[in-house]
Amino acid sequence: EAEVAQSPRYKITEKSQAVAFWCDPISGHATLYWYRQILGQGPELLVQFQDESVVDDSQLPKDRFSAERLKGVDSTLKIQPAELGDSAMYLCASSARISSYNSPLHFGNGTRLTVT
Amino acid sequence: AQTVTQSQPEMSVQEAETVTLSCTYDTSENNYYLFWYKQPPSRQMILVIRQEAYKQQNATENRFSVNFQKAAKSFSLKISDSQLGDTAMYFCAFMKYNNNDMRFGAGTRLTVKP
Repeated sequence: EAEVAQSPRYKITEKSQAVAFWCDPISGHATLYWYRQILGQGPELLVQFQDESVVDDSQLPKDRFSAERLKGVDSTLKIQPAELGDSAMYLCASSARISSYNSPLHFGNGTRLTVT
Repeated sequence: AQTVTQSQPEMSVQEAETVTLSCTYDTSENNYYLFWYKQPPSRQMILVIRQEAYKQQNATENRFSVNFQKAAKSFSLKISDSQLGDTAMYFCAFMKYNNNDMRFGAGTRLTVKP
């Protein structure tokens, strides 16, 4: 079964450094999401793409976070500079189209970020 | 804004027995979708079961079933004949109709004991 690929699996960085995460959605999936999951909490949406366009980034801390999906396929999430409070699991998910009831979210394994 | 509440941070059940995980949500919408996702330790999150709010019949997927009470805004998950592989975090999630903003609860950590 096709999967959402994420890398790296783990990342340790010092505060004030830059860090980037990569996601490759399931082939053909037009919608891509980045979620942040703080330990002990449920995932929270950071940004949603439809093809190469941002649909929703209202919860993305834009002073330090950026996301792109230039060719409408894979995506990169960047944090610069990283802060201690950014330590979390960053999950990427994809779905075939906008209405995801009939095309549910498929999640990757996530990138666990630790900021020291 | 929609909120999802899972009031049981942790639960445990003996293998082969039945367990019910609770979820309540708050919304003013009439049409929406509800989901249960499972996140095994160190593995990816996967969809367990889903329910459309306008359908009164409770969804069932093999050993997993839901008790959807729309008036009470409750969406509990029942796992029958629990298996060791059911050990995981379980997240309840809400999504408005025609809107991709899925809101998750804080999760319930379920441990199935042999």
